[in-house]
Amino acid sequence: QQQVKQSPQSLIVQKGGISIINCAYENTAFDYFPWYQQFPGKGPALLIAIRPDVSEKKEGRFTISFNKSAKQFSLHIMDSQPGDSATYFCAARLLGGKLIFGQGTELSVKP
Amino acid sequence: DGGITQSPKYLFRKEGQNVTLSCEQNLNHDAMYWYRQDPGQGLRLIYYSQIVNDFQKGDIAEGYSVSREKKESFPLTVTSAQKNPTAFYLCASSIQNGELFFGEGSRLTVL
Repeated sequence: QQQVKQSPQSLIVQKGGISIINCAYENTAFDYFPWYQQFPGKGPALLIAIRPDVSEKKEGRFTISFNKSAKQFSLHIMDSQPGDSATYFCAARLLGGKLIFGQGTELSVKP
Repeated sequence: DGGITQSPKYLFRKEGQNVTLSCEQNLNHDAMYWYRQDPGQGLRLIYYSQIVNDFQKGDIAEGYSVSREKKESFPLTVTSAQKNPTAFYLCASSIQNGELFFGEGSRLTVL
């Protein structure tokens, strides 16, 4: 199985709150887990990424938490801002380079 | 500036017509990709190419064709055999096993 399951499909958060998006995978052959951010009408752009030998990675307000035994990883956005409103995709990379994307989460941060 | 240029941004097609979407990159990347984006389905891989004059089918290649005659260019043709072509199409490139860089996308609508 090569699926990556992402939830929730949509998320509404108040300004200053924490946004949490979750992903789960089944294939243990993945070696790299990036998150992409996409604004309306634009292409996705890499936001933050983690490798499976690390349990957490933080870059500014964005943190990835990775649970290898549970085959789950999540994106936390602290102090969420209206400018964070976008669609977020998790992904997992197979050995050999192919990326498998989650279904996407549409985040709306209300002022 | 280095980047990926997709054209046209919007395209309308009558049923039964083939259309070609352009993708050009000046990042000197070896690998190029085409993804299709539909609401709630994430990004699905159509075709990819890791080297000039070579390409492989992705997960949803039926009804599509590509060519890779130059390193910089990877055009996608949506043929009349594609039964549901209305979608947002994204081109990306990368170094081998590297971060994906996306273009701004082409939105195809079948009338």
